Amino acid sequence: KNEVEQSPQNLTAQEGEFITINCSYSVGISALHWLQQHPGGGIVSLFMLSSGKKKHGRLIATINIQEKHSSLHITASHPRDSAVYICGRWWGTSYGKLTFGQGTILTVHP
Amino acid sequence: DTGVSQNPRHKITKRGQNVTFRCDPISEHNRLYWYRQTLGQGPEFLTYFQNEAQLEKSRLLSDRFSAERPKGSFSTLEIQRTEQGDSAMYLCASSLVGSGEGRKREYAQFFGPGTRLTVL
Repeated sequence: KNEVEQSPQNLTAQEGEFITINCSYSVGISALHWLQQHPGGGIVSLFMLSSGKKKHGRLIATINIQEKHSSLHITASHPRDSAVYICGRWWGTSYGKLTFGQGTILTVHP
Repeated sequence: DTGVSQNPRHKITKRGQNVTFRCDPISEHNRLYWYRQTLGQGPEFLTYFQNEAQLEKSRLLSDRFSAERPKGSFSTLEIQRTEQGDSAMYLCASSLVGSGEGRKREYAQFFGPGTRLTVL
């Protein structure tokens, strides 16, 4: 079993819909990253959070440490949001690596 | 543009050849990471550096792989005797870890655009 699991693996939505992508992890974390990857490979870091909720524009990330679960929400989705969304678990300052989920492929149709 | 650059962006090579990739991190970042990503998967950790010291290597990094960061700035990842299974996107990321007077603590990793390797 992977340390980090995402669901769904594929998500199709119509423009304007509210979207939720889920991330569950099986071991402790210091922080959870949400990344966005567009076709062609470039990765953009969206959020890093260790508790509560963060918001940036139409994107909202929440985390529940007790339940070992995080969600990424997109409000008023747009075709330009189509990308792969990846969550990554980060542990401590002594260990630098991120352990990633397999990614969620989001397609938003106009 | 995150400020992390990688070269080349694409590399096609024949099996058995050696290849070298370069990553230039954000200049003030002290940590540099290498990841590998195959189609349909999230990135997998390969190795990371704190300044010039290589602190951790994944078991994915076989003896054919070597990474250096000689002056604590740019890094190179070399793959010797490439195999078709090495075909992947190789991603570099950097971050600034630790705090000091006047320094910001920032753990977020900033990724480069990646180098796509195809081994024929």
